[in-house]
This record gives sequence, structure tokens and C-alpha cells, in this order.
Amino acid sequence: DAMVIQNPRYQVTQFGKPVTLSCSQTLNHNVMYWYQQKSSQAPKLLFHYYDKDFNNEADTPDNFQSRRPNTSFCFLDIRSPGLGDAAMYLCATSARGHRGDGYTFGSGTRLTVV
Amino acid sequence: AQTVTQSQPEMSVQEAETVTLSCTYDTSESDYYLFWYKQPPSRQMILVIRQEAYKQQNATENRFSVNFQKAAKSFSLKISDSQLGDAAMYFCAYRSAKNRIQGAQKLVFGQGTRLTINP
Repeated sequence: DAMVIQNPRYQVTQFGKPVTLSCSQTLNHNVMYWYQQKSSQAPKLLFHYYDKDFNNEADTPDNFQSRRPNTSFCFLDIRSPGLGDAAMYLCATSARGHRGDGYTFGSGTRLTVV
Repeated sequence: AQTVTQSQPEMSVQEAETVTLSCTYDTSESDYYLFWYKQPPSRQMILVIRQEAYKQQNATENRFSVNFQKAAKSFSLKISDSQLGDAAMYFCAYRSAKNRIQGAQKLVFGQGTRLTINP
């Protein structure tokens, strides 16, 4: 089945040690999003790619970076994770021109910082 | 900027009964989409129902229906005949219908309502 896959489901990293989360999609969607969701809070958009066009949210810390080497894959890099970066990270996709379709979400990666 | 507010952090309902989750939003736009998403514990977020703002008719998907009041900027979700599998976090979300500009296609989420189903 076409889907959005996030790896790993659970990631433990050390304070200050760079970590990369991955997302892949078989939907051939143009847009890929990264959201941060802290416990019992609404998902917060970090950035998105519209094809190769990167769009950063104004309040996303510089500590967060993203790469999209091709249509199928998108990566979230946290350069120096702090305790406050512990959260669920959600990847989602949407197709260009289908604004009413909402998103397709992955299962998320839960990041723990120790 | 658009905002979405869910004023009920938690709700509970007896199995087989009906429950309504509230959502209000603020926007200056006239054309947009509204969504309810369900996020079960440790599982992915899935779309429950969507509403196009230009449609007056309320959307319905099986046991799920919405009460869309555009003038009041209200978008509530009614779940009929509640089932144990309905237990989840429910998020109301807004999406602009503008042509794509930076940020125009993003979903803006409310804080969520945790729904518990009592057997």
C-alpha cells in the first residue's frame, strides 16, 4: 500500500549529539512536511518542501535542518539536540493542487534526549 | 494568521452514545478547508472528515458528522454510536484554499481533545 514511512519509530540520542530522522513516501506527493508534537500539544510545523523548494517556519530554531534528496525521501537533522527537543516528530505529505485532501501522515518518530 | 481552538482538553462518553467535540477558528479568509484528525495512542494520525468552507451542507462520514457554522467560525464533530475504537486524541485543523504561497498549504491544528470511551 502507498504510504508514508518514518524510521526509526523510537530514537534515543545523547544531549548535543547530532541525530537524523528519516521519512519516505510511495505516494509521489509533491509536498513533504515535518511537524514537532510535544506531549498533549498540537503538532507544530517546522518546515516543508514543495518539490525542491524549502520553506522554513519563522520560529523554527536553527538547530533543525532538513534535506530532500529526491521526491521520495525527506530527512530531519537536529544538529545539537537539547532536552527540550524531546518530542514526537511527524512527517506528512500532500499532493500539489489537492488542498482539500488534507495530509497523509507517517507513524512518527518519538525522540528521547538523554 | 489563522488560529484553531479546541476548548475541551478531555471528553468521555459511554459506549454506543453520542458525543460532540467543539472547535472554533479564526480567519479572515472566505475560502478554506476544515478537518478532523484522529490520533490513536502510539499510532498515526488519520483523517476522519473534511469540510469545504464554500459548501453549506455539513459533511458526513458514516458515524461521524460535523456542524459547520461559517459565520460563527465553529466546526464541531459529532460521533454517533461511540465505539471503543474511537478512543483517541482528536485534532481540528484548518487549511487555506489560496493558491500556493509560502505557508499557504500548511495545516494549522488545534490543541486536541482526548476522547475516552467507557464500556
